Amino acid sequence: QKEVEQNSGPLSVPEGAIASLNCTYSDRGSQSFFWYRQYSGKSPELIMSIYSNGDKEDGRFTAQLNKASQYVSLLIRDSQPSDSATYLCAAPSNSNSGYALNFGKGTSLLVTP
Amino acid sequence: KAGVTQTPRYLIKTRGQQVTLSCSPISGHRSVSWYQQTPGQGLQFLFEYFSETQRNKGNFPGRFSGRQFSNSRSEMNVSTLELGDSALYLCASSSGGSNEQYFGPGTRLTVT
Repeated sequence: QKEVEQNSGPLSVPEGAIASLNCTYSDRGSQSFFWYRQYSGKSPELIMSIYSNGDKEDGRFTAQLNKASQYVSLLIRDSQPSDSATYLCAAPSNSNSGYALNFGKGTSLLVTP
Repeated sequence: KAGVTQTPRYLIKTRGQQVTLSCSPISGHRSVSWYQQTPGQGLQFLFEYFSETQRNKGNFPGRFSGRQFSNSRSEMNVSTLELGDSALYLCASSSGGSNEQYFGPGTRLTVT
């Protein structure tokens, strides 16, 4: 079974700090990875996608991919209370077909004022 | 561009009944995927449709089925509902040019 693993948390960080969220995956053939943010009672919202080894930055968010270690992370700089949500990591569940995503169970992030 | 829409937003059904949920993808998106989200199992893939054809299917019983129409709108059907089918059902659409999927607001199904 190809899996995506995340620490469920909760991860608590003070406002203004860097939040670091981690994810590991089992399918070495996976080529793309996604981070979704889900507020309580809402649907997941795509916030970052990453396809190549290294870092990808978008505003306060940085996604990091290390294919050799099968590891993806999301850094949130200058964390705000509005960032408090569950963050879901996802990768295609089949290397040959990219439209079925396998999700981790999510990490709950709490940013305290 | 309008986002993914799902109807209805909330449903309450009784065990043994069947239910049909509807999803309209983002304009121009041809791929529609369905997911079930529960507190215990998280987000689980049900199936994916592209150009009216089911391309992928997750590990769910045959009571779960779907279809896609020529305008890319999709429906999923659950027959003989069980208590364990209570969940948030999410539809996601993709352009087909990348793996990025965009979710609708979901349908909250409660089976009593």
